[in-house]
Amino acid sequence: DTAVSQTPKYLVTQMGNDKSIKCEQNLGHDTMYWYKQDSKKFLKIMFSYNNKELIINETVPNRFSPKSPDKAHLNLHINSLELGDSAVYFCASSPGTGARNQPQHFGDGTRLSIL
Amino acid sequence: AQSVTQPDIHITVSEGASLELRCNYSYGATPYLFWYVQSPGQGLQLLLKYFSGDTLVQGIKGFEAEFKRSQSSFNLRKPSVHWSDAAEYFCAVGAQGYGNKLVFGAGTILRVKS
Repeated sequence: DTAVSQTPKYLVTQMGNDKSIKCEQNLGHDTMYWYKQDSKKFLKIMFSYNNKELIINETVPNRFSPKSPDKAHLNLHINSLELGDSAVYFCASSPGTGARNQPQHFGDGTRLSIL
Repeated sequence: AQSVTQPDIHITVSEGASLELRCNYSYGATPYLFWYVQSPGQGLQLLLKYFSGDTLVQGIKGFEAEFKRSQSSFNLRKPSVHWSDAAEYFCAVGAQGYGNKLVFGAGTILRVKS
């Protein structure tokens, strides 16, 4: 029944490694997002995809590469992990684009810790 | 550019007391406004949203918020707080022309005393 599911829930790894986080939504939504929540709980959008097409890229380092194989999935791959990448990453989805179709469904987050 | 300010980092209220969480936004045109709640270890849940029309909006869990254009505010209220309301609350603003981008405030942590 989970609407937006992310895996893994926790990810602990060393600097320099490459890791991926997966996200799936079963709501039939067209638009998906990745947000980063830092240690001060500040939440900021990173990427948004609509029907597998990238529509928002918020000046995120190119070590971060989102991939959307279909509109129900949006994965996040991170190369050469750095200490500053430690955060909670949230996936979200909404029915469509436009301010009236804002993210209303969030996953439970993936807590990434870099050693 | 849009911005959102939540002046209170922490608020503590007694169970059964009323609650008001403050939110001020900065945007030149009519914003779309949202309140989300985040429980520990969980994602964000939408409480309510304002797009247009009646400036007092009702949400889930007995929450309401009032849009005041003159004060650039969208404060969240609840007449009687329950212990289960303890969580972190985020105000967010979206705007036409910015696609589906949301800008969040820094959040307010609500503690409930029994």
